[in-house]
Amino acid sequence: EAGVTQSPTHLIKTRGQQATLRCSPISGHTSVYWYQQALGLGLQFLLWYDEGEERNRGNFPPRFSGRQFPNYSSELNVNALELEDSALYLCASSFNALGPYNEQFFGPGTRLTVL
Amino acid sequence: ELKVEQNPLFLSMQEGKNYTIYCNYSTTSDRLYWYRQDPGKSLESLFVLLSNGAVKQEGRLMASLDTKARLSTLHITAAVHDLSATYFCAVTYGGATNKLIFGTGTLLAVQP
Repeated sequence: EAGVTQSPTHLIKTRGQQATLRCSPISGHTSVYWYQQALGLGLQFLLWYDEGEERNRGNFPPRFSGRQFPNYSSELNVNALELEDSALYLCASSFNALGPYNEQFFGPGTRLTVL
Repeated sequence: ELKVEQNPLFLSMQEGKNYTIYCNYSTTSDRLYWYRQDPGKSLESLFVLLSNGAVKQEGRLMASLDTKARLSTLHITAAVHDLSATYFCAVTYGGATNKLIFGTGTLLAVQP
């Protein structure tokens, strides 16, 4: 069974540009999560989508946004890129987050570099 | 807000030795996870601990959970070089959210 997939693997942008990252969850999973792993800041929760709705967001500015599509795949958009947005962005998926089997499984990540 | 602390941050150990990584969290949570991350790679799930006293073992790694002390340990037995990686514990932030709050990570370097 295929795991969580993310694209692209690497993304290089310049300050002020927009970045779009994509994630496909494990088949059957309805929840998608985004995490940022920036150097020196550890792993931080960004966003959680379930059944097409944003359910929770972390302490990030509004220029970080996303959506979840009817097939449960998800996009993370980062507008007005800043140098400190350079990080590994990890997507995870799980079954219904409020159920008992909601362990999150992580994708390979997208490495975003802002120059 | 829930905080998760791990120690040590860096652990250099020789092959064949035993050691323990500690994970403390500040408020009640219903589950605790341990993950492994190799350099530049994603997170690999190692253990899910759901209840007080839970103990799980896989190979040379054993994880335990004490919910009363809000403490989990990851014990490494007879370390081998292949265990070199960064280990994270993470706790769910309870209630109707499912976000994971991660510890700082422990970089484990096993020397031959």
